[in-house]
Amino acid sequence: AQKITQTQPGMFVQEKEAVTLDCTYDTSDQSYGLFWYKQPSSGEMIFLIYQGSYDEQNATEGRYSLNFQKARKSANLVISASQLGDSAMYFCAMREVGNQFYFGTGTSLTVIP
Amino acid sequence: GAGVSQSPRYKVAKRGQDVALRCDPISGHVSLFWYQQALGQGPEFLTYFQNEAQLDKSGLPSDRFFAERPEGSVSTLKIQRTQQEDSAVYLCASSFRQGRAFFGQGTRLTVV
Repeated sequence: AQKITQTQPGMFVQEKEAVTLDCTYDTSDQSYGLFWYKQPSSGEMIFLIYQGSYDEQNATEGRYSLNFQKARKSANLVISASQLGDSAMYFCAMREVGNQFYFGTGTSLTVIP
Repeated sequence: GAGVSQSPRYKVAKRGQDVALRCDPISGHVSLFWYQQALGQGPEFLTYFQNEAQLDKSGLPSDRFFAERPEGSVSTLKIQRTQQEDSAVYLCASSFRQGRAFFGQGTRLTVV
């Protein structure tokens, strides 16, 4: 079974609008971390946001927020007020304690002016 | 530098040639990861070190792939007898214990 599932290969959003990128995960561990990374065309992996499995509040980092629904095992990324520079691939990842990072297949986001 | 450094950034190898890819993690980071990323795909796990111990090498696609981190800092990913399907970007990442992964710029390997 896939550890991380991202079901949206491509998404479009109008500049200044909000967009939600979906991510579901699969684990039987109680302690784990959830991460979102951005990969622009330059290829670098840029960390955006982190959510711990025991965190009760949804994580926020500037225009990024993580909609964490533990019972549904989902960790959707919300980008508010989209900018042209947000156009990139977005990867959801999970790390169980003492283990590797598992990545999804990514969502390509295009911001339309 | 303060970040993860990978070298070379680009490598062109003739089929059958051996290559070595280097990763300098952030100082003090105990965990080091190697990933392979094909064009348009997500990173695929290759191997994971904690200090000098290779804890997981289940992602290495064949015995032509070998990784080491002898002193618990710099790591080298070696690919012997390269084949065309090895063409990809190889990403190295490091983390401090359970923290987020910091990625290098990657090495783009092209096998011709």
